[in-house]
Amino acid sequence: EAQVTQNPRYLITVTGKKLTVTCSQNMNHEYMSWYRQDPGLGLRQIYYSMNVEVTDKGDVPEGYKVSRKEKRNFPLILESPSPNQTSLYFCASSLGQMEGANVLTFGAGSRLTVL
Amino acid sequence: GQNIDQPTEMTATEGAIVQINCTYQTSGFNGLFWYQQHAGEAPTFLSYNVLDGLEEKGRFSSFLSRSKGYSYLLLKELQMKDSASYLCAVDNFNKFYFGSGTKLNVKP
Repeated sequence: EAQVTQNPRYLITVTGKKLTVTCSQNMNHEYMSWYRQDPGLGLRQIYYSMNVEVTDKGDVPEGYKVSRKEKRNFPLILESPSPNQTSLYFCASSLGQMEGANVLTFGAGSRLTVL
Repeated sequence: GQNIDQPTEMTATEGAIVQINCTYQTSGFNGLFWYQQHAGEAPTFLSYNVLDGLEEKGRFSSFLSRSKGYSYLLLKELQMKDSASYLCAVDNFNKFYFGSGTKLNVKP
């Protein structure tokens, strides 16, 4: 089944404790991206990647890092999480604009709470 | 800055037609998307417009006017399962900007 898989789905952590949210897709998609969703603010793009070793900042990149060493994986790293990073996170992938519309397929989401 | 506006909440009756509007101001434009998001779930793709005009897909249609920075999603023959949030999103050449979503309540 074509899908985007995120882990963990739920996480409660403490301020300053480094964590990684993994994202993997099995559709051979070129484009991958991360979003956070907060009430009243909608989805905001954190980082995106157009291909292996190519990453770029989205609208709210502060406090986050990403890497794209393999085409299928795009982990989101919080080096020193803070309470304002408590949110629902979505990873998404697409074939990319070269294939027409950049239609995103989303993972199921990861709910992160930072105490 | 980038701005995507859509109403926060709407209510409609089963079997009726509802139109959800979206206005946008972005520095670039490479297409407008509508996604549906049920509570607690991931967004799923509904519709895409890059040229002016109407795109129809079954009970769902989406319209775009690039000169006005305006789009709408039209849902016909509403069903209870259409109760969800509808997200308008602009592709600014790989940077995506989403509206805060319109929560649609369908009542019997």
